[in-house]
Amino acid sequence: GAVVSQHPSWVICKSGTSVKIECRSLDFQATTMFWYRQFPKQSLMLMATSNEGSKATYEQGVEKDKFLINHASLTLSTLTVTSAHPEDSSFYICSARDYTSGYEQFFGPGTRLTVL
Amino acid sequence: DAKTTQPPSMDCAEGRAANLPCNHSTISGNEYVYWYRQIHSQGPQYIIHGLKNNETNEMASLIITEDRKSSTLILPHATLRDTAVYYCIVRVATGTYKYIFGTGTRLKVLA
Repeated sequence: GAVVSQHPSWVICKSGTSVKIECRSLDFQATTMFWYRQFPKQSLMLMATSNEGSKATYEQGVEKDKFLINHASLTLSTLTVTSAHPEDSSFYICSARDYTSGYEQFFGPGTRLTVL
Repeated sequence: DAKTTQPPSMDCAEGRAANLPCNHSTISGNEYVYWYRQIHSQGPQYIIHGLKNNETNEMASLIITEDRKSSTLILPHATLRDTAVYYCIVRVATGTYKYIFGTGTRLKVLA
């Protein structure tokens, strides 16, 4: 089946530093990847959609300069949280869509970010 | 974008059927309904999806009302491992075909 990985699975950083999270599709090519954020006991909130080789589309209210997304290949997308602050602490989840099998999204295991 | 509403929590006895409802009264004619579940601190796992007709796979059944304003996910014989948050999702039919997540139902299967 389609497998999506994320790295790292958890990260702790100091306030003001930047953190990069990787999302990889391991056994399929993903023309589209999605980035979500999830706060404790809440649902997933879509942050942005990235298409390979083009700029990401951000949801309303998501700061594009703070959450930098790069989708440079068909198997890798990265999310960089710039100048992180404690309120950015959250569970970040990516998903990828295999364009050959329809519109189903396959989710990664998530990355827990804690900003001190 | 269409929204979904779900009860916040439900209990189900082990071995019994779990019926999880979802309301999506503003769904458009070509928007699909997807169901995923999330076990604590993991990524969501796909369960099933449908457009108009009822669907069944090895995990569950999906019943969609004729007017498509609501649906029910049925886990026929719930086990303790089915304890999770279940999300009813509408997939947007244009553009990026993104998912609109509902608030989810926390299902607890009781021994």
